[in-house]
Amino acid sequence: GQNIDQPTEMTATEGAIVQINCTYQTSGFNGLFWYQQHAGEAPTFLSYNVLDGLEEKGRFSSFLSRSKGYSYLLLKELQMKDSASYLCAVLDSNYQLIWGAGTKLIIKP
Amino acid sequence: EADIYQTPRYLVIGTGKKITLECSQTMGHDKMYWYQQDPGMELHLIHYSYGVNSTEKGDLSSESTVSRIRTEHFPLTLESARPSHTSQYLCASSEGGVDTGELFFGEGSRLTVL
Repeated sequence: GQNIDQPTEMTATEGAIVQINCTYQTSGFNGLFWYQQHAGEAPTFLSYNVLDGLEEKGRFSSFLSRSKGYSYLLLKELQMKDSASYLCAVLDSNYQLIWGAGTKLIIKP
Repeated sequence: EADIYQTPRYLVIGTGKKITLECSQTMGHDKMYWYQQDPGMELHLIHYSYGVNSTEKGDLSSESTVSRIRTEHFPLTLESARPSHTSQYLCASSEGGVDTGELFFGEGSRLTVL
């Protein structure tokens, strides 16, 4: 079967750095997405990786290793507004998105 | 700024009722999707459309139906609601396929069936 694994919950301190990991086992791979979802709100797009390596976008960076079936989202200079769930999703060989259950990130002052 | 709207945001209904969840987008996107999301769980695709008069079932078995008569409108209908349908329903659209760009999500419709 197809599977996306992310930690259920993480806690970090304001101003610090946090890395949210995502491992996947899917039938084929056509890219990996990260979305942010604040409680009670719609998910919003953060990043898309299809090639190995690190993509940086401001305070957020996303890394992909296709050979290891692994990605991480790196958040720097954490702010209270970064408290949210972070969803990892993989596009499989049929171009269907397979979603992880999300990682709830709690930021403490 | 994404312009995709869902109504109602919240709905509480009794078992056996027929309901329609509305979704409209003003971005001219051809591709639209309906997802179901339970708290702390992954999103599950229940229906999608690649354009007018195109509808497909997703990976989650669902007793709902959809229609796509106009590009901007993608309503979801439950003919006879059951407590197991209690969930959040998210509508999304994309300019190209998901491999070419991001999904824009609506705010969601939270359905409770008593």
